[in-house]
Formats: sequence, C-alpha cells, structure tokens
Amino acid sequence: GDSVTQMEGPVTLSEEAFLTINCTYTATGYPSLFWYVQYPGEGLQLLLKATKADDKGSNKGFEATYRKETTSFHLEKGSVQVSDSAVYFCALRSSTLTFGKGTMLLVSP
Amino acid sequence: GAGVSQTPSNKVTEKGKYVELRCDPISGHTALYWYRQSLGQGPEFLIYFQGTGAADDSGLPNDRFFAVRPEGSVSTLKIQRTERGDSAVYLCASSLMVAGGRGTNEQFFGPGTRLTVL
Repeated sequence: GDSVTQMEGPVTLSEEAFLTINCTYTATGYPSLFWYVQYPGEGLQLLLKATKADDKGSNKGFEATYRKETTSFHLEKGSVQVSDSAVYFCALRSSTLTFGKGTMLLVSP
Repeated sequence: GAGVSQTPSNKVTEKGKYVELRCDPISGHTALYWYRQSLGQGPEFLIYFQGTGAADDSGLPNDRFFAVRPEGSVSTLKIQRTERGDSAVYLCASSLMVAGGRGTNEQFFGPGTRLTVL
C-alpha cells in the first residue's frame, strides 16, 4: 500500500537558518505530492503541492521538488522565521490522502 | 470566511458509550472526507463521500464506526461502544467535485474534534 516516511522531529533551528525536512514515499502509479502545515491551535493547511515528476511546488518561501527517481519530496526553506514553527506533514494522493507522521519545527529568535 | 466547521471541538466520553461527531463542509463542496489523527501520528483516512454516498469507506477500522451524509452536505461520524483506543482528533475535510473518481481537488480541513474516551 501507499506510505510516506518523513524525518522525525523536533527540528530545532535559529531564525534565518536553512531548513530541510526529508520525505520519501512508496506508491503505485503516479501520485500527487503535498506538504501540509499545522500551526499551533489551528487546522491543517495545504502549504504546497506537485502533481507530476520534476514539478516544484512553492509557497511562502518553502519549496519541494517531486523526484520520481528517488521517490522523494523534501521540503526546503532558505531562511526560517519564528512564525514558521509548526508541524509539517508530507502526503501523497493516489485515490485518497496518505500522510506521514509529521515533523515538528521549532524556530527560536 | 466559511471554512469547514466541526462540532464539538472537544468530546469526553466513557468507555462503551456512543458518540456523534459533526462536520459542516464548505458550501458547494461535494466531496467530504473523515480522517483520524492519533497523538504523534499523521491523519489516517477513514471514509470519503461524493454527494450522499460513501465512495470509499476502506479506512473505517471496524463496524463500530459509521458515517452518514444524508443530504450531501453535513456529515456525522458515529462511533458505537467507544473504546479507549478511539481517543484521537477526528478531522473532516471537503473539496470540490472529485474529477474522474480521484482526489484531484484541494482538500480543506476543519479544526477537528478531540475525542477522549475514559
């Protein structure tokens, strides 16, 4: 079956540091890939997505590239802010959404 | 704006009791999804509706769980004979019509209902 594996957290960074959260997936066919974010006390929000190989999704300074050859969709941001502190979920969709376990990001001033 | 709403936000019940969780999707969204998120885990798919019918209920863990959407809008997730292991946050999401039977439209999530079974 479909599965998503993402790095365990928490990831602790200082403001303006570079962020990478790794995500790899297993799926049949050609799924769409997503990153969702859950800010403290709020619901899940779509951060970015990519629907086919080599697509790059981007939003709010975050980027992720759909790498079919490595079955990966790593999330990156060049300079994190305190307000980026949240839990980030990698997900794939073939018929329904399958989520990873989430990675908590803590950014300190 | 009118996003997905869920009630109650918190529900505490005793083992063996029956609970109902409600989801109000975004107006005009024909697809509705239920997920369960246990502590430290990502959301796990339970069931999805296209209109009034359950198009895929493969994620329901057992027959104690049931969901309805009688008029194609509001949905209720029903759990019978609750167990402590049912404690989790139950998330609802909605999206525009699913094209070709697959989820090709963005799902918008509600804030969830935190269920605690004592």
